[in-house]
Amino acid sequence: SQKIEQNSEALNIQEGKTATLTCNYTNYSPAYLQWYRQDPGRGPVFLLLIRENEKEKRKERLKVTFDTTLKQSLFHITASQPADSATYLCALEVVGSTLGRLYFGRGTQLTVWP
Amino acid sequence: GAVVSQHPSRVICKSGTSVKIECRSLDFQATTMFWYRQFPKQSLMLMATSNEGSKATYEQGVEKDKFLINHASLTLSTLTVTSAHPEDSSFYICSAFRQGVRNTIYFGEGSWLTVV
Repeated sequence: SQKIEQNSEALNIQEGKTATLTCNYTNYSPAYLQWYRQDPGRGPVFLLLIRENEKEKRKERLKVTFDTTLKQSLFHITASQPADSATYLCALEVVGSTLGRLYFGRGTQLTVWP
Repeated sequence: GAVVSQHPSRVICKSGTSVKIECRSLDFQATTMFWYRQFPKQSLMLMATSNEGSKATYEQGVEKDKFLINHASLTLSTLTVTSAHPEDSSFYICSAFRQGVRNTIYFGEGSWLTVV
């Protein structure tokens, strides 16, 4: 069956450390993998997109890697801050699927404590 | 600022009544919009794909007669929950697909529905 699994439901780290979140997928052929931030009671906010032929993408303190052999993406937040506390969602756009249709993981709730 | 607006952000309705949620793309035309539902601590689950000028495509297990979707213009899709029951209480989120040089997906802020 098709699955998108995010490593843990919750991750707690100290301010200044690097947060690493994992997304593994099974039985999907992704064209793109995206990461979103979701705050409580709000819609998802787009962070980064990486294509299936790309290995790594960076944006400010964020870095995403994509390994299609391992079927895994890692999402890193360096120099984390309490304001980074939120739920982070991994989502796939799949080859052959309707453009814009996303398949989501359950999310990892990140808490950064001072 | 928001490029996809969802309204209302919160709504409480009585069991058996219907409630409409709107999703608008503010500064672009969206031929395709998507409706998701999210239960607490769960992932966003696609309910249906809304195509301007044609019938919506529903995911397996989603009752099309209960969740009516209308995409009457290139900037507006509506989701109507008919004969709502308490188990329909959830967070409903829309997204709009902007096609162009850089295809982009924009999400609305979501609508909390509570059925009492």
